[in-house]
Amino acid sequence: GNSVTQMEGPVTLSEEAFLTINCTYTATGYPSLFWYVQYPGEGLQLLLKATKADDKGSNKGFEATYRKETTSFHLEKGSVQVSDSAVYFCALIGNSGYSTLTFGKGTMLLVSP
Amino acid sequence: NAGVTQTPKFQVLKTGQSMTLQCAQDMNHNSMYWYRQDPGMGLRLIYYSASEGTTDKGEVPNGYNVSRLNKREFSLRLESAAPSQTSVYFCASSEGGGDYEQYFGPGTRLTVT
Repeated sequence: GNSVTQMEGPVTLSEEAFLTINCTYTATGYPSLFWYVQYPGEGLQLLLKATKADDKGSNKGFEATYRKETTSFHLEKGSVQVSDSAVYFCALIGNSGYSTLTFGKGTMLLVSP
Repeated sequence: NAGVTQTPKFQVLKTGQSMTLQCAQDMNHNSMYWYRQDPGMGLRLIYYSASEGTTDKGEVPNGYNVSRLNKREFSLRLESAAPSQTSVYFCASSEGGGDYEQYFGPGTRLTVT
């Protein structure tokens, strides 16, 4: 079956540091890949997505590239802000029939001033 | 637009009690979902409704029932609550399956004593 593995957190950074959160996946076929973000006390919201190999998703300064050869979709940001403190979830959805999202366990990011 | 709304926000139940979590969306989405979020476990799908009139089991359906009341509303029922059902419950909706974005509600924090 499908699965997503993320690096464990918390990841603690100072403001303006470079961020990488690793995500690898196992899936049959060609899944679509997502990063969702959950701010404290809120539901999840889509941050970015990529639907085919070598696609780069980007939003709010965050980027992730769909790497089929390494089955990875690592999240990066060049300069984090305190307001980026949240939990980040990597997820995938299969491309056969009606598929549902499979989430990783989430990585908490804490950014200090 | 309110997006996805959930009631109640918080609930405490005693073991064996029953309750229904309500979810509604105003985006005319076809698909709706119920997830539970537990520490270190990410989000796990309980049930989903691909379209009005259909419901299907997700990864962790035991102890739950659902009703897709109409296109807008999707409820989750716990018939006999157990401490293992202590969790945060999220409802989500999307236009359809595949790589459509899912929109999440703010969550219901349920404690079963």
